[in-house]
Amino acid sequence: AAGVIQSPRHLIKEKRETATLKCYPIPRHDTVYWYQQGPGQDPQFLISFYEKMQSDKGSIPDRFSAQQFSDYHSELNMSSLELGDSALYFCASYKGGSGQETQYFGPGTRLLVL
Amino acid sequence: QKEVEQDPGPLSVPEGAIVSLNCTYSNSAFQYFMWYRQYSRKGPELLMYTYSSGNKEDGRFTAQVDKSSKYISLFIRDSQPSDSATYLCASGTGRRALTFGSGTRLQVQP
Repeated sequence: AAGVIQSPRHLIKEKRETATLKCYPIPRHDTVYWYQQGPGQDPQFLISFYEKMQSDKGSIPDRFSAQQFSDYHSELNMSSLELGDSALYFCASYKGGSGQETQYFGPGTRLLVL
Repeated sequence: QKEVEQDPGPLSVPEGAIVSLNCTYSNSAFQYFMWYRQYSRKGPELLMYTYSSGNKEDGRFTAQVDKSSKYISLFIRDSQPSDSATYLCASGTGRRALTFGSGTRLQVQP
């Protein structure tokens, strides 16, 4: 079965640089979520999109922005990167009314800021 | 206080043991409850999903939800070294973002 795809899987950036992470949800899933997981931490919700509109916002820094495109893929744009942004970034997708109301996670993008 | 509290572990058991992982939650609005397994540096993998109070079994795994006491459990029978991972409980409502417990690291010794 198709899963959530994220790219790149690994990314190394310098402080103050920008990064763009991409997420391709499971086909026909209408909601995408972004989570950040620091070392030894549980995933923290950043932002979500439903039918290409922002639906909910969590602890996303102002330096970050995100959008969902017409093909439902989503991109997380991170600017003025800081050392503390080093983390695993997960995308998850969800389909309402499917009988299994849950989120499926992608493999994550590991971002290292030097 | 976090909306979902999880016994942090770490938990170390011998191969073949029964493992019990537990969480409590405080938000009565939570409708569904999941257990995810996460291997080091990997994405969380959905193990079990439950929508109501009661038990749900899948192979060696049993998920239990008690909404009256706001208690979530995962039992692993005949634990294997390959079960060594971090287990995250999570709760959600509709399309809202999931709220995770802090994770329990499990080590199954061969």
